[in-house]
Amino acid sequence: EIVLTQSPATLSLSPGERATLSCRASQSVSSYLAWYQQKPGQAPRLLIYDASNRATGIPARFSGSGSGTDFTLTISSLEPEDFAVYYCQQRSNWPPRAFGPGTKVDIK
Amino acid sequence: EVQLVESGGGLVQPGGSLRLSCAASGFTFSSYAMSWVRQAPGKGLEWVSAISGSGGSTYYADSVKGRFTISRDNSKNTLYLQMNSLRAEDTAVYYCAKDVHVVPAAPYDYWGQGTLVTVSS
Repeated sequence: EIVLTQSPATLSLSPGERATLSCRASQSVSSYLAWYQQKPGQAPRLLIYDASNRATGIPARFSGSGSGTDFTLTISSLEPEDFAVYYCQQRSNWPPRAFGPGTKVDIK
Repeated sequence: EVQLVESGGGLVQPGGSLRLSCAASGFTFSSYAMSWVRQAPGKGLEWVSAISGSGGSTYYADSVKGRFTISRDNSKNTLYLQMNSLRAEDTAVYYCAKDVHVVPAAPYDYWGQGTLVTVSS
C-alpha cells in the first residue's frame, strides 16, 4: 500500500506570497498524483491531476510538478480565497486511492 | 451543470445500518466510475469505496470491507452505499465523487456536498 506524506502540516503566509506544498509517496506513483483544495464546510475541489495538469476552471497561479515519489503544488501569489487545506491523492496503486494527510495554508 | 446530491445520513446506534444515496445529474452517469470518500470530524479525507460505470466492478477500503456495499442504478442516475454493522469510527461526512474515468481510477472532478453519519448510542 502506498502511503502519502505531506509537508509542512501548516504553512502560514500572507496574501501575495508564494506557497510551496510538498507531497511524497512511499513508492513511485509515476505521474499519477492529484491535488485538491478544501475550504471549511465545503467539499474538496480538484486542482491538479496527473501531477501537472490544471483541472477545468483552475486559475493559472496554481501549478503542479514532480514525478515518481516527490511532488510539489505551487501557488504563485496567494489570494484571500486560497487559504484552505490541500490534499494530494495517488492513483497509481489500487486500491485504495490514498489521500495524504493534508497541508493547511493559513493567514500569517 | 454536474450535480451530486447525497442523502440518507443521520444518527444511528452502533451495530445499526444506514443506506446513503447520491443523485447525479448533468452528465452521462453510466459513463463514469463513482466513489464514496469520507471525512471524520476535524480529520482528513479517507477513500471508502468505488464502483465502475457499469457497476460490474466494486472496490472497498479494508476498514469497511464486509460491512459496506456500494451499488448504482444507472436507470435512476443514483449511487448507493449500504452501511451495516456501523461503528463509532464510521462517524464522518460521506461524500460521493465522480471519477474522470469509466473505471475507478481517480481523480474526482465533481463532489457532492456531503451527508453526515453519526454512530453513537
